[in-house]
Amino acid sequence: DARVTQTPRHKVTEMGQEVTMRCQPILGHNTVFWYRQTMMQGLELLAYFRNRAPLDDSGMPKDRFSAEMPDATLATLKIQPSEPRDSAVYFCASGLVLIWGSGNTIYFGEGSWLTVV
Amino acid sequence: AQSVAQPEDQVNVAEGNPLTVKCTYSVSGNPYLFWYVQYPNRGLQFLLKYITGDNLVKGSYGFEAEFNKSQTSFHLKKPSALVSDSALYFCAVRDIATNAGKSTFGDGTTLTVKP
Repeated sequence: DARVTQTPRHKVTEMGQEVTMRCQPILGHNTVFWYRQTMMQGLELLAYFRNRAPLDDSGMPKDRFSAEMPDATLATLKIQPSEPRDSAVYFCASGLVLIWGSGNTIYFGEGSWLTVV
Repeated sequence: AQSVAQPEDQVNVAEGNPLTVKCTYSVSGNPYLFWYVQYPNRGLQFLLKYITGDNLVKGSYGFEAEFNKSQTSFHLKKPSALVSDSALYFCAVRDIATNAGKSTFGDGTTLTVKP
């Protein structure tokens, strides 16, 4: 049963520390998304990649957040330094977007629940 | 530009009654439309989607949704609600005219089914 795998599932860290979240997309998927979910803002798109190349990271605070795809099986989201306002659930999602106008489904991981104290 | 609205933050129904969770959308071209469900402390799970063809789409757990182009709506429905359907539901839209594959999600609707 193919699924998007995220680690860690839960993380509590102190303000100022670096946090790295990892995602293994579904094998064969070429598009990876990072979302953040909070009570106040709902679901926000932070960044996404196609064939490992960043397509859009306009939703991401550039000064402290960075997203990369070192290879096709790993996407990372890093926060350095972390702040209490970064406390949220971070979701990775993947899909196969092959052609113009693809209606393929995007599948979500279980999320990384981050608390910054 | 694409957008989606879920006009109700909360929907309450009694078990066994039909349920409807509303969604309206806006796109430049034609839409792909999706429904996801999120149970507490879990990720979003895909329920169903409209790509083309029949306006009535059937999905997981007995849910269905009807695409209405004239009303730009894609309401989620189930004939008989279960307590276990209680969850957060998200509608999402993707404009066919874009090759970015990026979806826009609504703010979510919390469905509570009471015994």
